[in-house]
Amino acid sequence: DAMVIQNPRYQVTQFGKPVTLSCSQTLNHNVMYWYQQKSSQAPKLLFHYYDKDFNNEADTPDNFQSRRPNTSFCFLDIRSPGLGDAAMYLCATSRDNGEPQHFGDGTRLSIL
Amino acid sequence: SQQGEEDPQALSIQEGENATMNCSYKTSINNLQWYRQNSGRGLVHLILIRSNEREKHSGRLRVTLDTSKKSSSLLITASRAADTASYFCATRNYGQNFVFGPGTRLSVLP
Repeated sequence: DAMVIQNPRYQVTQFGKPVTLSCSQTLNHNVMYWYQQKSSQAPKLLFHYYDKDFNNEADTPDNFQSRRPNTSFCFLDIRSPGLGDAAMYLCATSRDNGEPQHFGDGTRLSIL
Repeated sequence: SQQGEEDPQALSIQEGENATMNCSYKTSINNLQWYRQNSGRGLVHLILIRSNEREKHSGRLRVTLDTSKKSSSLLITASRAADTASYFCATRNYGQNFVFGPGTRLSVLP
């Protein structure tokens, strides 16, 4: 089945230690998104790629960066994680802007 | 902000009853989507309704859109325990990305 896969499901890192979360898709969708979701809150868009074009949300901290080396993969890099970055990170794809999004099951990030 | 706002924040019903959730937004939209999220999982797309549509159905789901009131509702009929989840509306303005509302937590009791 075509899907969006996030690895790992759970990630623990130390305060200030860089961490990378990964996402892959077999849907061949043009758009890939990264969301941050804290407990009992709505997903908050961090950035998205339309093909190779990177679009950063205005309020996304500089601590968060992303790479999309090819259509199938997208990475979220957190350069110096703080305690406030503990959250669920969701990757999603869509065929085009505004189309329904397909989500992975997320990576839950804990900061020690 | 064009963020959707769901109402109620939490809803608890008995199996077999209908559940209605509402979403309000602030600016003109291109389309509005509803998503479901089970605990600890990603979101699942349920239904998309475009700004020129008033009602859509999908199985036990019925979505309405009133652009004059800037509001939408999601009706789940004959609810089941498996419908227990959080439900989010997401609105998209022309040329912009989606903004998710805070969600409604639905509990369906057996």
